[in-house]
Amino acid sequence: AQSVTQLGSHVSVSEGALVLLRCNYSSSVPPYLFWYVQYPNQGLQLLLKYTSAATLVKGINDFEAEFKKSETSFHLTKPSAHMSDAAEYFCAVGGSNYKLTFGKGTLLTVNP
Amino acid sequence: DGGITQSPKYLFRKEGQNVTLSCEQNLNHDAMYWYRQDPGQGLRLIYYSQIVNDFQKGDIAEGYSVSREKKESFPLTVTSAQKNPTAFYLCASSIFPPRDYGYTFGSGTRLTVV
Repeated sequence: AQSVTQLGSHVSVSEGALVLLRCNYSSSVPPYLFWYVQYPNQGLQLLLKYTSAATLVKGINDFEAEFKKSETSFHLTKPSAHMSDAAEYFCAVGGSNYKLTFGKGTLLTVNP
Repeated sequence: DGGITQSPKYLFRKEGQNVTLSCEQNLNHDAMYWYRQDPGQGLRLIYYSQIVNDFQKGDIAEGYSVSREKKESFPLTVTSAQKNPTAFYLCASSIFPPRDYGYTFGSGTRLTVV
């Protein structure tokens, strides 16, 4: 069984500030972890993925995430928020052999 | 360019009607999925298919039906038995198993009951 918990359904930051979106997972097998971004009325786009190689994963648009097995976490960060980062972000875990399991999402607002 | 196409982008249904949402991919992916998205509830799996002519129920299959006659196509029918169909529907595809590379998503269909 696997599950994902995203802490904070809504995060608000100022432009230029650090972005931190939290994701904790539960998996009975070694996890494969993903972050997706969704802009309004669009599908989800892959930001980055962890598949048991380096624990610090770099993605598109300067986002990165660190896999911490001891904390069962895979938090997403970006050093400096841009207005264009405003979107909903989903963490997902894959471990079973047929599907990914998604968190409920975190809506990121960026204030000027 | 390879991708996954959903149509229409917006769809309106009268109560008691069945409607079919289209999903086509040219990525040569074996697996295809349908998810329903409601505000604050994340993505919930409706149906998935690992190979042609085979599909499995997901977590919320009641009131929905699918077919997989071609590798490229995985249409979803929302039947009149689905009592609350207003939602955003997302189709996805992947290499099987999806844990290695994740999903590629379509741009979604927003269904509204009028």
